[in-house]
Amino acid sequence: EVQLVESGGGLVQPGGSLRLSCAASGFTFSSSWMDWVRQAPGKGLVWVSRINSDGSGTTYADSVKGRFTISRDNAKNTLFLQMNSLTAEDTAVYYCVRDRGWGSFDYWGQGALVTVSS
Amino acid sequence: QSALTQPPSASGSPGQSVTISCTGTSSDVGGYNYVSWYQQHPGKAPKLMIYEVNKRPSGVPDRFSGSKSGNTASLTVSGLQAEDEADYYCSSYADSNNFPYVFGTGTKVTVL
Repeated sequence: EVQLVESGGGLVQPGGSLRLSCAASGFTFSSSWMDWVRQAPGKGLVWVSRINSDGSGTTYADSVKGRFTISRDNAKNTLFLQMNSLTAEDTAVYYCVRDRGWGSFDYWGQGALVTVSS
Repeated sequence: QSALTQPPSASGSPGQSVTISCTGTSSDVGGYNYVSWYQQHPGKAPKLMIYEVNKRPSGVPDRFSGSKSGNTASLTVSGLQAEDEADYYCSSYADSNNFPYVFGTGTKVTVL
Protein backbone atom coordinates (compact mmCIF):
# COMPACT_ATOMS: atom_id res chain seq x y z
CA GLU A 1 0.00 0.00 0.00
CA VAL A 2 1.31 3.42 -0.97
CA GLN A 3 1.66 5.86 1.88
CA LEU A 4 2.88 9.44 2.10
CA VAL A 5 2.82 10.74 5.65
CA GLU A 6 3.59 14.39 6.29
CA SER A 7 4.72 15.76 9.63
CA GLY A 8 6.13 18.96 11.04
CA GLY A 9 3.23 21.31 10.50
CA GLY A 10 1.98 23.70 13.13
CA LEU A 11 1.65 27.29 14.26
CA VAL A 12 4.59 29.63 13.61
CA GLN A 13 5.03 33.36 13.95
CA PRO A 14 5.60 35.59 10.92
CA GLY A 15 9.26 35.53 9.98
CA GLY A 16 9.72 32.11 11.54
CA SER A 17 10.78 28.79 10.09
CA LEU A 18 9.33 25.31 9.85
CA ARG A 19 10.51 22.04 8.34
CA LEU A 20 8.05 19.59 6.85
CA SER A 21 8.86 15.93 6.38
CA CYS A 22 7.13 13.33 4.27
CA ALA A 23 7.76 9.63 4.87
CA ALA A 24 7.11 7.51 1.79
CA SER A 25 6.42 3.80 1.49
CA GLY A 26 4.83 1.34 -0.91
CA PHE A 27 6.56 2.56 -4.07
CA THR A 28 10.08 3.13 -5.32
CA PHE A 29 10.76 6.51 -3.73
CA SER A 30 14.35 6.76 -4.95
CA SER A 31 13.30 6.72 -8.60
CA SER A 32 10.37 9.11 -8.18
CA TRP A 33 10.25 12.85 -8.70
CA MET A 34 8.46 14.47 -5.77
CA ASP A 35 6.63 17.75 -5.28
CA TRP A 36 4.96 19.89 -2.67
CA VAL A 37 1.52 21.34 -3.40
CA ARG A 38 -0.29 23.68 -1.02
CA GLN A 39 -3.86 24.76 -0.45
CA ALA A 40 -4.76 27.84 1.56
CA PRO A 41 -7.95 27.53 3.64
CA GLY A 42 -10.96 27.53 1.35
CA LYS A 43 -8.79 28.09 -1.72
CA GLY A 44 -7.46 26.08 -4.63
CA LEU A 45 -4.36 23.99 -5.20
CA VAL A 46 -1.03 25.67 -5.89
CA TRP A 47 2.18 23.96 -6.94
CA VAL A 48 5.11 24.92 -4.68
CA SER A 49 8.24 22.95 -5.50
CA ARG A 50 9.68 19.92 -7.29
CA ILE A 51 12.75 17.74 -6.85
CA ASN A 52 14.10 15.11 -9.20
CA SER A 53 14.77 11.54 -8.19
CA ASP A 54 18.37 11.90 -7.01
CA GLY A 55 17.93 15.37 -5.54
CA SER A 56 20.24 17.09 -7.99
CA GLY A 57 17.55 19.26 -9.53
CA THR A 58 14.98 21.48 -7.84
CA THR A 59 12.38 23.99 -9.01
CA TYR A 60 10.34 26.51 -7.03
CA ALA A 61 7.33 28.70 -7.54
CA ASP A 62 8.26 32.37 -7.61
CA SER A 63 6.26 32.97 -4.43
CA VAL A 64 8.57 30.76 -2.37
CA LYS A 65 11.87 31.02 -4.23
CA GLY A 66 14.70 32.00 -1.91
CA ARG A 67 12.68 31.16 1.19
CA PHE A 68 11.82 27.46 0.77
CA THR A 69 14.19 24.56 0.16
CA ILE A 70 13.10 21.13 -1.01
CA SER A 71 15.35 18.15 -0.34
CA ARG A 72 15.22 14.39 0.05
CA ASP A 73 16.92 11.46 1.74
CA ASN A 74 16.52 8.44 -0.50
CA ALA A 75 18.13 6.16 2.09
CA LYS A 76 15.29 7.03 4.46
CA ASN A 77 12.54 7.42 1.84
CA THR A 78 11.84 10.90 3.10
CA LEU A 79 11.07 14.23 1.44
CA PHE A 80 11.59 17.57 3.17
CA LEU A 81 10.50 21.17 2.80
CA GLN A 82 12.43 23.77 4.77
CA MET A 83 10.37 26.94 5.00
CA ASN A 84 11.96 30.20 6.16
CA SER A 85 10.79 33.81 6.43
CA LEU A 86 7.20 32.65 6.63
CA THR A 87 4.34 35.08 6.10
CA ALA A 88 0.60 34.85 6.58
CA GLU A 89 0.29 34.12 2.86
CA ASP A 90 2.10 30.81 3.45
CA THR A 91 -0.72 29.57 5.67
CA ALA A 92 -1.99 26.41 3.99
CA VAL A 93 -2.23 22.67 4.01
CA TYR A 94 0.94 21.35 2.41
CA TYR A 95 0.68 18.11 0.46
CA CYS A 96 3.57 15.83 -0.41
CA VAL A 97 2.91 14.29 -3.83
CA ARG A 98 4.52 11.80 -6.18
CA ASP A 99 5.12 13.35 -9.60
CA ARG A 100 4.58 10.68 -12.26
CA GLY A 101 5.68 13.18 -14.86
CA TRP A 102 4.34 16.13 -16.80
CA GLY A 103 2.36 17.47 -13.88
CA SER A 104 0.43 14.33 -13.05
CA PHE A 105 0.42 13.66 -9.31
CA ASP A 106 -0.73 10.13 -8.53
CA TYR A 107 0.03 9.75 -4.83
CA TRP A 108 -0.87 12.35 -2.21
CA GLY A 109 -0.20 12.59 1.50
CA GLN A 110 -2.91 13.56 3.96
CA GLY A 111 -1.49 17.06 4.23
CA ALA A 112 0.23 19.09 6.94
CA LEU A 113 -1.35 22.32 8.14
CA VAL A 114 0.98 25.28 8.47
CA THR A 115 -0.45 28.35 10.15
CA VAL A 116 1.54 31.56 10.18
CA SER A 117 0.16 33.95 12.76
CA SER A 118 1.22 36.07 15.68
CA GLN B 1 1.80 31.98 -14.21
CA SER B 2 -1.96 32.45 -13.93
CA ALA B 3 -4.28 29.72 -12.74
CA LEU B 4 -6.32 27.89 -15.34
CA THR B 5 -9.94 29.06 -15.48
CA GLN B 6 -12.73 26.75 -14.35
CA PRO B 7 -16.40 27.53 -13.65
CA PRO B 8 -16.98 27.87 -9.90
CA SER B 9 -19.82 25.39 -9.87
CA ALA B 10 -21.63 22.72 -11.86
CA SER B 11 -24.51 20.44 -11.04
CA GLY B 12 -26.61 17.57 -12.27
CA SER B 13 -29.15 15.05 -11.10
CA PRO B 14 -28.23 11.43 -10.37
CA GLY B 15 -27.72 9.55 -13.63
CA GLN B 16 -27.13 12.70 -15.67
CA SER B 17 -23.85 13.98 -17.05
CA VAL B 18 -21.90 17.06 -16.10
CA THR B 19 -19.00 18.61 -17.99
CA ILE B 20 -16.41 20.93 -16.46
CA SER B 21 -14.20 23.16 -18.59
CA CYS B 22 -10.62 24.22 -17.93
CA THR B 23 -9.30 27.09 -20.01
CA GLY B 24 -5.66 28.01 -20.30
CA THR B 25 -3.36 29.31 -22.97
CA SER B 26 -1.14 28.01 -25.73
CA SER B 27 1.68 27.94 -23.16
CA ASP B 28 -0.03 25.32 -21.03
CA VAL B 29 -3.27 23.51 -21.91
CA GLY B 30 -3.07 24.27 -25.60
CA GLY B 31 0.60 23.48 -25.94
CA TYR B 32 0.77 20.00 -24.45
CA ASN B 33 -1.33 16.90 -24.00
CA TYR B 34 -0.53 16.89 -20.30
CA VAL B 35 -3.76 17.87 -18.61
CA SER B 36 -4.77 16.12 -15.39
CA TRP B 37 -7.94 16.21 -13.30
CA TYR B 38 -8.27 15.76 -9.55
CA GLN B 39 -11.25 15.08 -7.30
CA GLN B 40 -11.23 16.42 -3.76
CA HIS B 41 -13.81 15.64 -1.11
CA PRO B 42 -14.08 17.99 1.89
CA GLY B 43 -11.21 17.56 4.30
CA LYS B 44 -9.49 14.99 2.09
CA ALA B 45 -6.47 14.98 -0.17
CA PRO B 46 -7.04 15.30 -3.91
CA LYS B 47 -7.24 12.13 -6.00
CA LEU B 48 -5.96 11.80 -9.57
CA MET B 49 -8.87 11.00 -11.89
CA ILE B 50 -7.50 11.74 -15.37
CA TYR B 51 -3.99 12.25 -16.72
CA GLU B 52 -2.56 13.07 -20.14
CA VAL B 53 -5.93 14.56 -21.17
CA ASN B 54 -7.95 11.33 -21.33
CA LYS B 55 -6.23 8.48 -19.50
CA ARG B 56 -7.68 6.98 -16.33
CA PRO B 57 -5.56 5.58 -13.53
CA SER B 58 -6.38 2.08 -12.40
CA GLY B 59 -9.49 2.04 -10.25
CA VAL B 60 -11.10 5.21 -11.60
CA PRO B 61 -14.57 4.44 -13.02
CA ASP B 62 -15.01 4.84 -16.77
CA ARG B 63 -17.81 7.31 -15.99
CA PHE B 64 -14.99 9.85 -15.84
CA SER B 65 -13.60 10.98 -19.17
CA GLY B 66 -11.39 13.80 -20.40
CA SER B 67 -10.89 15.67 -23.64
CA LYS B 68 -9.20 18.76 -25.03
CA SER B 69 -9.76 21.23 -27.83
CA GLY B 70 -7.36 24.08 -28.34
CA ASN B 71 -6.69 25.86 -25.07
CA THR B 72 -9.64 24.26 -23.26
CA ALA B 73 -9.76 20.88 -21.59
CA SER B 74 -12.91 19.23 -20.28
CA LEU B 75 -13.86 16.60 -17.73
CA THR B 76 -17.16 14.78 -18.17
CA VAL B 77 -18.75 12.75 -15.42
CA SER B 78 -21.45 10.50 -16.80
CA GLY B 79 -24.09 8.69 -14.79
CA LEU B 80 -23.67 11.04 -11.84
CA GLN B 81 -23.67 9.42 -8.43
CA ALA B 82 -23.95 10.97 -4.99
CA GLU B 83 -20.30 10.24 -4.24
CA ASP B 84 -19.24 12.33 -7.26
CA GLU B 85 -20.15 15.47 -5.32
CA ALA B 86 -16.77 17.09 -4.72
CA ASP B 87 -14.39 19.79 -5.87
CA TYR B 88 -12.59 19.15 -9.14
CA TYR B 89 -9.32 20.71 -10.22
CA CYS B 90 -7.56 20.57 -13.54
CA SER B 91 -3.83 21.00 -13.96
CA SER B 92 -1.48 21.33 -16.89
CA TYR B 93 2.17 21.10 -17.67
CA ALA B 94 3.45 24.55 -18.59
CA ASP B 95 7.08 24.06 -19.66
CA SER B 96 8.41 26.86 -17.55
CA ASN B 97 11.46 26.44 -15.41
CA ASN B 98 9.91 28.78 -12.89
CA PHE B 99 6.45 27.27 -12.91
CA PRO B 100 6.24 23.92 -14.67
CA TYR B 101 2.78 23.05 -13.39
CA VAL B 102 -0.37 25.15 -13.08
CA PHE B 103 -3.69 24.23 -11.46
CA GLY B 104 -7.18 25.36 -12.27
CA THR B 105 -9.35 27.49 -10.02
CA GLY B 106 -11.55 24.55 -9.07
CA THR B 107 -15.18 23.59 -9.68
CA LYS B 108 -17.67 22.48 -7.06
CA VAL B 109 -19.85 19.71 -8.47
CA THR B 110 -23.20 19.28 -6.77
CA VAL B 111 -25.41 16.24 -7.26
CA LEU B 112 -28.95 17.50 -6.99
